[in-house]
Amino acid sequence: GENVEQHPSTLSVQEGDSAVIKCTYSDSASNYFPWYKQELGKRPQLIIDIRSNVGEKKDQRIAVTLNKTAKHFSLHITETQPEDSAVYFCAASIKAAGNKLTFGGGTRVLVKP
Amino acid sequence: EPEVTQTPSHQVTQMGQEVILRCVPISNHLYFYWYRQILGQKVEFLVSFYNNEISEKSEIFDDQFSVERPDGSNFTLKIRSTKLEDSAMYFCASSDSGFSNQPQHFGDGTRLSIL
Repeated sequence: GENVEQHPSTLSVQEGDSAVIKCTYSDSASNYFPWYKQELGKRPQLIIDIRSNVGEKKDQRIAVTLNKTAKHFSLHITETQPEDSAVYFCAASIKAAGNKLTFGGGTRVLVKP
Repeated sequence: EPEVTQTPSHQVTQMGQEVILRCVPISNHLYFYWYRQILGQKVEFLVSFYNNEISEKSEIFDDQFSVERPDGSNFTLKIRSTKLEDSAMYFCASSDSGFSNQPQHFGDGTRLSIL
């Protein structure tokens, strides 16, 4: 089945700097890649997603890039703010597999003021 | 903005007892999911449900687990005989169109503690 690896597991950045989180997936049939932000004790919240027919997508300070050939995708957060501190999860899914999301292990991001 | 709602927020149950976790998906959504997250670990897929039947299930979703949509609004996860290792946060999610992958929206979760 699908396997998603995520790096780094923890990331500490200075406020205003950029943060980059990288994920790789194993199944070339995966065609949908969302990113979720989870604050302590709360629900995973979708922050951005990308489909396999697109190479890059941007929404204000966050962007996601996808390299289908290499089977990896990345989340970029620019001008980080303390409220960006959370655990971020990448995920991948294949429509034919019941749309199930396979999550990466998560990245704990700490933005230092 | 419509949300997925889950009840209860916290459930404490004795090992071996049955537990039912309840979810109300977003009203026009067609796909429903259960995931679980053991403390400090990644979110794991349990089951997806579409058109009143299971679309996909993981190896975690064994015979002790079942799902049901008893009416037009609720979606439930039942664990028949709970084990200590079932202790986790259980998230319900829903998405709309089945034409292509659509965003899955998660509820706040039910924290299940097995004693």
